[in-house]
Amino acid sequence: EDQVTQSPEALRLQEGESSSLNCSYTVSGLRGLFWYRQDPGKGPEFLFTLYSAGEEKEKERLKATLTKKESFLHITAPKPEDSATYLCAVQADSNYQLIWGAGTKLIIKP
Amino acid sequence: DSGVTQTPKHLITATGQRVTLRCSPRSGDLSVYWYQQSLDQGLQFLIQYYNGEERAKGNILERFSAQQFPDLHSELNLSSLELGDSALYFCASSVGDRTGYTFGSGTRLTVV
Repeated sequence: EDQVTQSPEALRLQEGESSSLNCSYTVSGLRGLFWYRQDPGKGPEFLFTLYSAGEEKEKERLKATLTKKESFLHITAPKPEDSATYLCAVQADSNYQLIWGAGTKLIIKP
Repeated sequence: DSGVTQTPKHLITATGQRVTLRCSPRSGDLSVYWYQQSLDQGLQFLIQYYNGEERAKGNILERFSAQQFPDLHSELNLSSLELGDSALYFCASSVGDRTGYTFGSGTRLTVV
């Protein structure tokens, strides 16, 4: 069964303290892996798409990487405005629908 | 502004009633997706339309239905509402199957 697991569920960091969020997946053939950011009460905001192992993408303080089993979202020197829930979703070759993880709630304290 | 427009932003209604949520996709996007997100819960896929045709169904209740019109806007109809239907309902659109989705700001439905 296709599955996506995100860890940790929640992460509290001090401003400037770098860390990584994990997205582990099991699919029968990866078509794409997507990262989104969601602020409370708002719609998810698209961040990155990764298509193949070894691929990396960056945007400001965020860097997403992909292996055959998992993806990491690295956050470097985070600021309080980076606080949000980060969602990972995968799309399998066999099914166009996105399979969503439960998200990691990131809190950056000033 | 993401380009995906959802109306209304908030809706309060009584149990047993019927409501319609509306979504206008981003210009050029042919696919529309509907999701439900209950308090502190994950995104639950409801249904997808592509260029007016139903493409995929997720965990959509029989009391719920949707359609996509020729101008590509979509409506989600929720009937015989129950307290448990209270949630955020998001619409998303995409230009193709292998691209990221653009989400609207959602409709917050409260059933009392």
